[in-house]
Amino acid sequence: IVMTQSPATLSVSPGERATLSCRASQGITTNLAWYQQKPGQAPRLLIYSASTRATGIPARFSGSGSGTKFTLTISSLQPEDFAVYYCQQYNFWPPGPFGQGTKVEIK
Amino acid sequence: QVQLVESGGGVVQPGRSLRLSCAASGFPFSTHGVHWVRQAPGKGLEWVAVISSDGNKKYYADSVKGRFTISRDDSRNTLYLQMHSLGAEDTAVYYCARDGRAGPGLLYLFDYWGQGTLVTVSS
Repeated sequence: IVMTQSPATLSVSPGERATLSCRASQGITTNLAWYQQKPGQAPRLLIYSASTRATGIPARFSGSGSGTKFTLTISSLQPEDFAVYYCQQYNFWPPGPFGQGTKVEIK
Repeated sequence: QVQLVESGGGVVQPGRSLRLSCAASGFPFSTHGVHWVRQAPGKGLEWVAVISSDGNKKYYADSVKGRFTISRDDSRNTLYLQMHSLGAEDTAVYYCARDGRAGPGLLYLFDYWGQGTLVTVSS
């Protein structure tokens, strides 16, 4: 299974909305997670089951989709949200793969 | 709070071995499966191995099968990764990550991560 994220880089101004896409080469129902990784830090789980926010994740992060098409939306970008975002499927074995990541940078 | 702290990384020559450790705290360690996930410099994330909560199930990525061994010591709340026959392709930051399912079974969802330990394979 292949996970494809787009775009590779997203340039957004603080306060604007960001929409990230993830596509699976096969249907994975809603067994999809999103992770955020800042430079020099470990990834952090944001969203699981395609749309459920993990503990402590702000409401400005939302996920949607099922089957093969998924979206992560950040409603109003804060300075701390500029990072790389990865999607990951956990429907099939082996686990992962992760997408190649979308870098959200300051416009 | 859940904490995972990796150690044991460093510079190692090709063909040599290294053992990584991951000390867990803030949750009942024996109730969760635990994974190793790695990230080569400037690259994406790659799942490496997992051990179930009871230690009876161990699974590996094809890229490390036969060379790496995952184990756990619940009395020490510690996860290990024994790595043999290391090559340049194993150079990466190695993270331990908790499986998102408590109890039997594995979800392969990584809900908490350590800060990672860097392994550099170089002569």
